[in-house]
Amino acid sequence: GENVEQHPSTLSVQEGDSAVIKCTYSDSASNYFPWYKQELGKGPQLIIDIRSNVGEKKDQRIAVTLNKTAKHFSLHITETQPEDSAVYFCADGGFKTIFGAGTRLFVKA
Amino acid sequence: GAGVSQSPRYKVAKRGQDVALRCDPISGHVSLFWYQQALGQGPEFLTYFQNEAQLDKSGLPSDRFFAERPEGSVSTLKIQRTQQEDSAVYLCASSLGTGSYFGANVLTFGAGSRLTVL
Repeated sequence: GENVEQHPSTLSVQEGDSAVIKCTYSDSASNYFPWYKQELGKGPQLIIDIRSNVGEKKDQRIAVTLNKTAKHFSLHITETQPEDSAVYFCADGGFKTIFGAGTRLFVKA
Repeated sequence: GAGVSQSPRYKVAKRGQDVALRCDPISGHVSLFWYQQALGQGPEFLTYFQNEAQLDKSGLPSDRFFAERPEGSVSTLKIQRTQQEDSAVYLCASSLGTGSYFGANVLTFGAGSRLTVL
């Protein structure tokens, strides 16, 4: 079945630094890749997504890149702030969205 | 409503008890999903509804788990004879469409129902 691998599982950065989270997927037919942010006690919230017809998408301090050939996609957060601290999930957003295991991001002030 | 609402937020059950978890999706959202999230893990798919039809229940762990959405809006996830391994956060999500066009697969999640089985 479909599978999404995500790494690292934990990431600690200094405020102002960049953070990168990487994912791979298994289904070559997949064409929609969302990223969700989950804060403590809340449900995951969509922060950015990318479709297979583009290689990169940017929204202020966050960007996603997609390499369909390699079946890789990544989340980039620049100028990190303490409020970016949360768990981030990549996903294969097909018929039933399949999530990675998550990356716990700590941004140290 | 403005968002996806789930109740109860917290539920403690003794092993063997039955529980029912409720989800109120965003009004007009056709698709509704249930996910199970164990501590420190990503959400795992349980089941999917398109309106009142349950189109996929392949993720339900056992026949003790049952979900329904009789009128195509509110959904209930029922767990019979709860076991300790059922302890998790149960997340409900809804989306506007049915997965065949841009934006259809954008999920809006509720805050979840945390189930603890003693």
